[in-house]
Amino acid sequence: QSVLTQPPSVSGAPGQRVTISCTGGSSNIGTGYDVHWYQQLPGAAPKLLIHGNTNRPAGVPDRFSGSKSGASASLAITGLLAEDEADYYCQSYDSGLSAWVFGGGTKVTVL
Amino acid sequence: QVQLVQSAAEVKKPGASVKVSCRASGYTFTNDAIAWVRQVPGQGLEWVGWISAGNGNSVSAQRLQGRLTMTTDTFRSTAYMVLTNLRSDDTAVYYCARWVVSATYFDFWGQGTLVTVSS
Repeated sequence: QSVLTQPPSVSGAPGQRVTISCTGGSSNIGTGYDVHWYQQLPGAAPKLLIHGNTNRPAGVPDRFSGSKSGASASLAITGLLAEDEADYYCQSYDSGLSAWVFGGGTKVTVL
Repeated sequence: QVQLVQSAAEVKKPGASVKVSCRASGYTFTNDAIAWVRQVPGQGLEWVGWISAGNGNSVSAQRLQGRLTMTTDTFRSTAYMVLTNLRSDDTAVYYCARWVVSATYFDFWGQGTLVTVSS
């Protein structure tokens, strides 16, 4: 059971918009720690997609965007492409555990 | 460009130890830290620990304390992770990642090292 809760899967047709939620609690996201997002393509290492809730590293398309409100965060993918099929993980810090924590991951399927 | 290159896959018996290396290039190794994250095949990511490449301070995840040792060789810009008394549930891909100490995320990752624990 992950400290951060994500839906196991989301799907959408090419060109559509999908969102992935990441719900935490009072010892992590809710207490103000930033949320970061990673994309893991099949068979590959995770790649940083969004950091500091809303910031895209260089090279990440602006189709990917992040937001945070209260104890939750979201990742949105607009203009869905076949190459976006991957697992997506949110990550934050938990002060109660004194540990970095990840969500359980969300598999995005492009129909 | 920043690169982290990890050692090859390992197969170990229960009770044995494994050492995984992570060679960094493309940045000043001692300016940042290296985090270790593992992933059981088909499952999610789990933070394992981190070590400062500047001063050697390290923190391990509570569930691995006593079995995990992390070190760095600043001359070789390489970080090492040793996990002892291996169990079958330690079977996972182990990733190293750069942790920029002023931030709380991991910006570059190694390719991963599969550690299989099997009798």
